[in-house]
Amino acid sequence: SQQGEEDPQALSIQEGENATMNCSYKTSINNLQWYRQNSGRGLVHLILIRSNEREKHSGRLRVTLDTSKKSSSLLITASRAADTASYFCATDAAGAQKLVFGQGTRLTINP
Amino acid sequence: EAQVTQNPRYLITVTGKKLTVTCSQNMNHEYMSWYRQDPGLGLRQIYYSMNVEVTDKGDVPEGYKVSRKEKRNFPLILESPSPNQTSLYFCASSLEGRQPQHFGDGTRLSIL
Repeated sequence: SQQGEEDPQALSIQEGENATMNCSYKTSINNLQWYRQNSGRGLVHLILIRSNEREKHSGRLRVTLDTSKKSSSLLITASRAADTASYFCATDAAGAQKLVFGQGTRLTINP
Repeated sequence: EAQVTQNPRYLITVTGKKLTVTCSQNMNHEYMSWYRQDPGLGLRQIYYSMNVEVTDKGDVPEGYKVSRKEKRNFPLILESPSPNQTSLYFCASSLEGRQPQHFGDGTRLSIL
């Protein structure tokens, strides 16, 4: 069952620009997480935002959460070539001891 | 170093030949999980385990078995692999199911 859906599916920008990815989900959640996956590698956890939080920062990452709209966004500022990867949101459906991942946004940073 | 280790990383095999993909974590995590990743379908959970001797089905368990005899190990068993199980498989662990998960580097299986 698909809980989170990312938008856009693919994004290509120039180095130095900001990248914004969105995630929508269907049911109430306790937390929402963002992960990065470099080509052919495992996912790496980036940031977790709880349902009672609206915004969270970590370095060049900024995550927002709007529970009324059931959506989240991940902003990467001042992008670098090394940010080229796929980005996934994951949600925990309330009451479930598991995460459900979206299909991801493939981000390409052009030098 | 905290890590989740999967073996093998790559395997090409034939239909019906039983195989096991091993997964081991060194973080003393209670929760472990297996996912498969397919183009256009994202990451789907196969099985998970909340503790030793406790396992449960995920979203796509058909054709797979797991066991959790020790906290650190969570092998994935394909008793009679079929071509539709050709995929990229990931093992992950965490303190509990809703917490950030640590992923292995993946196992790419090709079933001919």
